[in-house]
Amino acid sequence: EPEVTQTPSHQVTQMGQEVILRCVPISNHLYFYWYRQILGQKVEFLVSFYNNEISEKSEIFDDQFSVERPDGSNFTLKIRSTKLEDSAMYFCASSEARDITDTQYFGPGTRLTVL
Amino acid sequence: QKEVEQDPGPLSVPEGAIVSLNCTYSNSAFQYFMWYRQYSRKGPELLMYTYSSGNKEDGRFTAQVDKSSKYISLFIRDSQPSDSATYLCAMSARGGSYIPTFGRGTSLIVHP
Repeated sequence: EPEVTQTPSHQVTQMGQEVILRCVPISNHLYFYWYRQILGQKVEFLVSFYNNEISEKSEIFDDQFSVERPDGSNFTLKIRSTKLEDSAMYFCASSEARDITDTQYFGPGTRLTVL
Repeated sequence: QKEVEQDPGPLSVPEGAIVSLNCTYSNSAFQYFMWYRQYSRKGPELLMYTYSSGNKEDGRFTAQVDKSSKYISLFIRDSQPSDSATYLCAMSARGGSYIPTFGRGTSLIVHP
């Protein structure tokens, strides 16, 4: 069964460093998403991406964040200068289309720890 | 008032029990209601979705929506230890952003 994969599973970084989180969405999916989940808190939407551009973003997704689809398979989230409060699980998701009934499939997540 | 409220638990039940998980919400524009299951250190996995009010059944799982009360439920019959996970409700509105708004999740423990 096709699935979303994410690497690395755990990333530890120093405050102020740049990190890139990687995702491989399901191959025939066209819409891609990043969410984060701070420990003990709810899953929060960051950004959605379609046709090589951002289609929607939340207030959390500020200038420190960027997304890219560098090739036909990868989808990345970059945090330019990490802060302690960026420590969270980051989930990538993908869906075939962007309709209320289209299921988003989530990856296993990357745990980001900022020291 | 938070958009989606969900008791984090934990909820601990014996194997075979009927489990009731609930969420309340404040945004009357929500029309699409989802339940996700999240095992420890895994991403959320969609269990069920319903549109507008009513019930939907899938095996041991039943999702119920009461839009008049802004209240949704997930019932698990004959609960199994393998059902132990965090259950997230999520909802979205038609005609605007389809991005789901999640609850905090309820941790369920089913003990043998």
